[in-house]
Amino acid sequence: QKEVEQDPGPLSVPEGAIVSLNCTYSNSAFQYFMWYRQYSRKGPELLMYTYSSGNKEDGRFTAQVDKSSKYISLFIRDSQPSDSATYLCAMSGHNNAGNMLTFGGGTRLMVKP
Amino acid sequence: KAGVTQTPRYLIKTRGQQVTLSCSPISGHRSVSWYQQTPGQGLQFLFEYFSETQRNKGNFPGRFSGRQFSNSRSEMNVSTLELGDSALYLCASSKDGVQETQYFGPGTRLLVL
Repeated sequence: QKEVEQDPGPLSVPEGAIVSLNCTYSNSAFQYFMWYRQYSRKGPELLMYTYSSGNKEDGRFTAQVDKSSKYISLFIRDSQPSDSATYLCAMSGHNNAGNMLTFGGGTRLMVKP
Repeated sequence: KAGVTQTPRYLIKTRGQQVTLSCSPISGHRSVSWYQQTPGQGLQFLFEYFSETQRNKGNFPGRFSGRQFSNSRSEMNVSTLELGDSALYLCASSKDGVQETQYFGPGTRLLVL
């Protein structure tokens, strides 16, 4: 079983919909949680960075972390066709003396006009 | 500020050959991490370099190695290439702290024939 699980999708939604993307994890040492967006044939682009539990909002994006359930979410409001991409969750923990990220497998999102 | 750059962008090699990939981090960033991305395994951490020293290492065989120069530029080398080494190799840079936000380059797509 992988340390970080993410539904691969694809997830297809109409333009304007609210999108919910999720990851579960097993390592209780994870403290830092990130969401990256990756367009086809490009490198991942950081969207959200959250430390420990709670919510963080940035424009149309909201990240939620529930450490008690080992569950993180990314919500996208008013989704646009340009949001069509693969979304990767990533995390790291205090037991790592550096910058090593563990990634989920990614969820492919398609927003249809 | 210029982003992370990687060269070459595309590479075709044959089994048994070796390859060297290059990464130039964002100016002022001293940590460089390397990741391998494949459709089957997703994004997997290879190693991280900080101030010319390897700080973390993932679960990859010794054929995968790297180094970092005094100007923070980094190279990774794969010797005795195997078909399974075909992947997108991504470099990410961050500042000198631990658990810092990482910014990814566009990647080098390696095809092993």
